[in-house]
Amino acid sequence: EVRLSESGGGLVQPGGSLRLSCEASGFTFRSHAMTWVRQAPGKGLQWVSSVSGSGRTTYYAESVKGRFTISRDNSNNSLYLQMNSLRGDDTALYYCAIHGVTTTPDAFETWGQGTMIIVSS
Amino acid sequence: SAVLSQPPSVSVAPGQTARITCGGNIIGTTSAHWYQQRPGQAPVLVVYDDDGRPSGIPERFSGSKSGNTATLTISRVEAGDEADYYCQVWDGLSDHPYVFGSGTKVTVL
Repeated sequence: EVRLSESGGGLVQPGGSLRLSCEASGFTFRSHAMTWVRQAPGKGLQWVSSVSGSGRTTYYAESVKGRFTISRDNSNNSLYLQMNSLRGDDTALYYCAIHGVTTTPDAFETWGQGTMIIVSS
Repeated sequence: SAVLSQPPSVSVAPGQTARITCGGNIIGTTSAHWYQQRPGQAPVLVVYDDDGRPSGIPERFSGSKSGNTATLTISRVEAGDEADYYCQVWDGLSDHPYVFGSGTKVTVL
């Protein structure tokens, strides 16, 4: 069974930094792209960043480019999101998701339960 | 980046059929995927590649596409189908390639 578990969320001041982690199990981690999606309170889903299976290719939403860095450690089945220069509009529940294992590479097949980031002074 | 339009809300009586649309120019050139998000829960993929159904998703959930509009159809709606539904596409020509629709709240009357 595919399992994803996020951690690292919390309360941080504007301008601060946080590093999110996502531990994966139940599939061949290095074979699949991974993604971070966030959801601000009461709002819809917003794609944040994606990384290829090898880690060599990354994509970022315009709103986080230059501030967030996605990475992965395939030896530890882990995905990361380093978040710097945090702003109030980064406040959200952050989900990690795996691209299709049994479906299609462009869809987010399995999601974690999310970790909450609150940016506030 | 691509823009996907969804109706904010759809209301349906139990046992009836709900149809949720997702419109955008890019729909005609790429596959659409659909997610269900029940209150307080993580999203779940319910349709992929326009009309594929992941393992474990009831046959009541189906997808289709015509022109620049993708449609998620929920047949024989149940109370447990009350949720937010999001479409999503991959825009291979964009530096920001993954796009979600704004979401549709399905209310079961």
